[in-house]
Amino acid sequence: AQRVTQPEKLLSVFKGAPVELKCNYSYSGSPELFWYVQYSRQRLQLLLRHISRESIKGFTADLNKGETSFHLKKPFAQEEDSAMYYCALSLTGGFKTIFGAGTRLFVKA
Amino acid sequence: DAGVIQSPRHEVTEMGQEVTLRCKPISGHNSLFWYRQTMMRGLELLIYFNNNVPIDDSGMPEDRFSAKMPNASFSTLKIQPSEPRDSAVYFCASRGAGGGAFFGQGTRLTVV
Repeated sequence: AQRVTQPEKLLSVFKGAPVELKCNYSYSGSPELFWYVQYSRQRLQLLLRHISRESIKGFTADLNKGETSFHLKKPFAQEEDSAMYYCALSLTGGFKTIFGAGTRLFVKA
Repeated sequence: DAGVIQSPRHEVTEMGQEVTLRCKPISGHNSLFWYRQTMMRGLELLIYFNNNVPIDDSGMPEDRFSAKMPNASFSTLKIQPSEPRDSAVYFCASRGAGGGAFFGQGTRLTVV
């Protein structure tokens, strides 16, 4: 069965510290992985996708097929990064997108 | 494009009443998703459509829930009769070929 696992419900770091939000997936097909961010009382927004191999707001994520992981990283966390982060998996064909439970990142001053 | 548009933004209704949530996807997107977000369960996929056809409704919790997509620019999610445990934020999202999903602002439903 397809599954996205985000083991941490809450991650609290100090401003300027490195941050890593973990994401593991289970899927036998060719995965397409995304990270979405939801700021307080706002809609979910696409942060980045593994295909693009881009850095958005200082965040990067690398797909590791061997470990079936897609961890989100940022070397220096900022207070404005405080939000809910969701890892998502789109199945082959791109129709179905399933989300992890989410990790709430809290960046302390 | 104004993005995915959902209405209403907030809905408060009494238990037993019918509730209809509406969504207008981004023009040109051929996939549409309905999600429910709660503190306890996080973000759950309820149903998704591709080219207006329901592909997978296995996430719909009960027969009280139904969704339609009569054309490429409109979809509804209906709950009849509503119950307090249906209280949640309901998101609609659309996606084109490739790329990620774009979400609407959500409808915050409260059933009292």
